[in-house]
Order: sequence, then C-alpha cells, then structure tokens
Amino acid sequence: DGGITQSPKYLFRKEGQNVTLSCEQNLNHDAMYWYRQDPGQGLRLIYYSQIVNDFQKGDIAEGYSVSREKKESFPLTVTSAQKNPTAFYLCASSLPSTFDGYTFGSGTRLTVV
Amino acid sequence: SQQGEEDPQALSIQEGENATMNCSYKTSINNLQWYRQNSGRGLVHLILIRSNEREKHSGRLRVTLDTSKKSSSLLITASRAADTASYFCATDPFYFTGANSKLTFGKGITLSVRP
Repeated sequence: DGGITQSPKYLFRKEGQNVTLSCEQNLNHDAMYWYRQDPGQGLRLIYYSQIVNDFQKGDIAEGYSVSREKKESFPLTVTSAQKNPTAFYLCASSLPSTFDGYTFGSGTRLTVV
Repeated sequence: SQQGEEDPQALSIQEGENATMNCSYKTSINNLQWYRQNSGRGLVHLILIRSNEREKHSGRLRVTLDTSKKSSSLLITASRAADTASYFCATDPFYFTGANSKLTFGKGITLSVRP
C-alpha cells in the first residue's frame, strides 16, 4: 500500500541537542511538507520541497533544517537553536497540483526533557 | 500565514444530529479542502471543492462554497460518535503567475459527538 511514514512516533530531546525526524513516502509525490502543530494554533508550515534537491522556508523555519536528496525522503532536523521545540510534527506529500489533496503521515510528538 | 478561519472553535452535538462547520478566508482561491484529524493522528483528506463549484457531496458530507463571501461550510449529516475529531479547512490561494501553490490550514474545529 502506498503511504507516508513518519518515525519515530515519540521523541525526547535534551536541551542543546539536535534531533532528526524521518519522513518517507512511496506515493511518487513530487512535493513534501513539514508542519508543526501546537494546541490551539493549527498547522504552521516549517519547510516545503516541490522537487528533489530544492526546498523553501515556510512561516516558521528558524531553528529547523531539511534536506531533499531523494524524492521519497524529506527529513527534518530540529536544531538547538529552536528554543521551544515541544510540539506535534506532521509531514505531508502531494502531487504538484493541490487538486488531489495532501497525504499526511501519522506524526511525531517531540518533547524536550 | 493562516488564511482559513473555522467557526465555531468547538462543537458538541448528540449522535444523529447534523454538524455544521464554517470556514472563512481572505484571498482568491483555486480550491478549498476539508480535512479530519483524530486525536494524536495525521490529517485525512475529506473533500475538495473547486472555486467554480458551489456545492459538493460525498457520503454524509456536504460542502458549500460562496466565493463572493469568501466562505465555506461543511455539513456532516446524521452524525456518529466516530465522527468525533478535529476538522480543518485548507485553502489553495490563486496566483496570477500560475506558480505551484501550497495549502494554508486553519486552526481547526473540535467536534464532539455524544452517544
């Protein structure tokens, strides 16, 4: 079955540590996205990529980094520069047009300990 | 920036009743989409309505779009306890340049359906 897989489901980060969230899709989608979800704030776009080896900042990119070396993979690194990283992170993918909607992964919950 | 704003923020109804959720947006759009999110899970695409459409149905879902008022509504008929979830509207803004766009999501509506 085609889909989008995020791992791990839960992640704990110590202060000053970088962590990487994985996102893999086998839908042959060109575009991939990372969102952060906080209670009461909906989804906020961190980074997106519409083609391999290219990506753009979203609304809240500071403290995050991404890479897009393969079509299937779009990992997100939460760096120590992100001062409030505790949140639910969602990865999504889509065709170039939005008319088929986005397919979301099941999310990674990151907690700072 | 978030363009879509849902209303109400929270809705509690009895099983069997209809649930109506509204979404307003600010700029011209290509399409508007509704998603559902169960607690602690990812979003699932429910239905899409194009800017030149006024109403669309899918099973127990009915979505309307009024581009003159820049608003949409999602109606879930004969609600079930399993419909309990958060619902998000997402807009695909129209760019004259024809550039590939991306969806902008609202903050969501929490729907509780009491058995």
